[in-house]
Amino acid sequence: DAGVIQSPRHEVTEMGQEVTLRCKPISGHDYLFWYRQTMMRGLELLIYFNNNVPIDDSGMPEDRFSAKMPNASFSTLKIQPSEPRDSAVYFCASRTTGISYNEQFFGPGTRLTVL
Amino acid sequence: RKEVEQDPGPFNVPEGATVAFNCTYSNSASQSFFWYRQDCRKEPKLLMSVYSSGNEDGRFTAQLNRASQYISLLIRDSKLSDSATYLCVVNPSGNTPLVFGKGTRLSVIA
Repeated sequence: DAGVIQSPRHEVTEMGQEVTLRCKPISGHDYLFWYRQTMMRGLELLIYFNNNVPIDDSGMPEDRFSAKMPNASFSTLKIQPSEPRDSAVYFCASRTTGISYNEQFFGPGTRLTVL
Repeated sequence: RKEVEQDPGPFNVPEGATVAFNCTYSNSASQSFFWYRQDCRKEPKLLMSVYSSGNEDGRFTAQLNRASQYISLLIRDSKLSDSATYLCVVNPSGNTPLVFGKGTRLSVIA
């Protein structure tokens, strides 16, 4: 299995632009998580899905952030408009409800810089 | 009180040293516990689970004290390759998301 796939790996954009981050979870995993990581705050959970349905989006900072999961193999996190304070590493992770349900597998992350 | 608290470090230790990290968690009903490792500019990966009876994996020993809501990780005979950030992780219950501490940074020096 290729693991969790994220794209792009790096994104540099200007304030006010729309940014779309993409994630493909591990096949068969029914949970998908979006995290943001900064030095100050560590890993913060933004939103998570179960069977493509958003379960908890209380971690989404504000209305500028939105996430979708149109099918079991794809999710997007969109920031519109982006601001410099959104600069961080965004990780997608997935896990299963099977035997290894506790292990979350992370993608390599998208390093976002908003100028 | 934060859900999972760790000393951020850094811990700078010589090769061969023994080093211990501690972590406390606030939710007494938490069900399962883990240590994840994160290398510089990489994603977190599961290092080991933490069981009530304590568990060992090679040079790594993890322990849980439910009464004190305290988790520890001991690394013996440190290697240069152990340099990383170690994240204490708690599963509050069932299929809820894992809760991550901010991590403790370890640098093993030759």
